[in-house]
Amino acid sequence: GAVVSQHPSWVICKSGTSVKIECRSLDFQATTMFWYRQFPKQSLMLMATSNEGSKATYEQGVEKDKFLINHASLTLSTLTVTSAHPEDSSFYICSARERLGTFNTEAFFGQGTRLTVV
Amino acid sequence: DAKTTQPPSMDCAEGRAANLPCNHSTISGNEYVYWYRQIHSQGPQYIIHGLKNNETNEMASLIITEDRKSSTLILPHATLRDTAVYYCIVRNYGQNFVFGPGTRLSVLP
Repeated sequence: GAVVSQHPSWVICKSGTSVKIECRSLDFQATTMFWYRQFPKQSLMLMATSNEGSKATYEQGVEKDKFLINHASLTLSTLTVTSAHPEDSSFYICSARERLGTFNTEAFFGQGTRLTVV
Repeated sequence: DAKTTQPPSMDCAEGRAANLPCNHSTISGNEYVYWYRQIHSQGPQYIIHGLKNNETNEMASLIITEDRKSSTLILPHATLRDTAVYYCIVRNYGQNFVFGPGTRLSVLP
């Protein structure tokens, strides 16, 4: 199956700093990428959807100025958590799919990034 | 909100079949049933999906009732590495995945 890679797998940062998470599609063109957040013992919650070359669409309750999403190429999307605070500590997961004509492929998930803000 | 209902947890003996149920009584005609699983601290892994026919692949079998209001994921010979949270998701092709709480399967030695 298609491969989606996230980097880093885990990161620890100080409160008030920003951290960038990368999501790459390794063998297909990711027309659309999704970013999820998962708190301990909870399910995945969709944060935002981004289409290549367009601004991301954020789910209700997700601050777009705090979670900056860039999807400038067909193989890379980045999520930047700005001015991170301990409550932003979570497991962040991306997924990607390709649009072929009028057809969307399945979404494939990255391995996740565990962010700990101290 | 997720359109499916799953038991919160299940146990299964190693080597036995694990049968994970899912209710999706409001499923519409165009919606597929997908199963993913998430092993601790990893991203979701695709298992199988189907529309109305039963499906089988190298990982599992998916049995969908004739009225499509419920389904069962079958892991024929569960191993310790199958311990994970299993998510049953109903969606139209191309729509976002909405994850419910899933079923936490524990495979016991």
